[in-house]
Amino acid sequence: ILNVEQSPQSLHVQEGDSTNFTCSFPSSNFYALHWYRWETAKSPEALFVMTLNGDEKKKGRISATLNTKEGYSYLYIKGSQPEDSATYLCASRSYNTDKLIFGTGTRLQVFP
Amino acid sequence: DAGVIQSPRHEVTEMGQEVTLRCKPISGHDYLFWYRQTMMRGLELLIYFNNNVPIDDSGMPEDRFSAKMPNASFSTLKIQPSEPRDSAVYFCASSRYLSGGRSYEQYFGPGTRLTVT
Repeated sequence: ILNVEQSPQSLHVQEGDSTNFTCSFPSSNFYALHWYRWETAKSPEALFVMTLNGDEKKKGRISATLNTKEGYSYLYIKGSQPEDSATYLCASRSYNTDKLIFGTGTRLQVFP
Repeated sequence: DAGVIQSPRHEVTEMGQEVTLRCKPISGHDYLFWYRQTMMRGLELLIYFNNNVPIDDSGMPEDRFSAKMPNASFSTLKIQPSEPRDSAVYFCASSRYLSGGRSYEQYFGPGTRLTVT
């Protein structure tokens, strides 16, 4: 994988459903993986930064896992609420650079 | 802290005109990033600075784009001359170096929506 890829591109779920999406990134020269939450008409806000293989982070109903050997991260939302509706971006950082390479995001819509 | 401040929030200009976008990073942050967001390409990094020095400008589309950071609290992104294909939302983000090998989150400004007609 040369780029950061996210799937699915969009997701529609009912309130109360749990959901998850995937971020794939280059595993060679990996340094860190970032997750951002981006609400419409606002700017991206950081959720998690993960660096170690097997890392798991949690913030309320949202959690993320990291597999650096195979180059993927999962973001989970438990019991989705309408206020979780947003685009979720992941970004990968390699060694020897401060650049983040962003995926195109997963757009989540939670219906009441 | 007020967060990252960008101005203007919206800019509409005619093709051929010069456009200057401004950014004030969070005080104490030593990294500043300029991004462009379009439907086709998503969020792309244009250039970033560390301690006011440009480190990587490989994402700058062409010579019409230039960026400066004269001091730790101010940066500009200039497009001259502007073209309709430059229409996009331009974000500025700042971050602070963390010791101990940790990676640092970026704080984004509200963006400038540029429309070139």
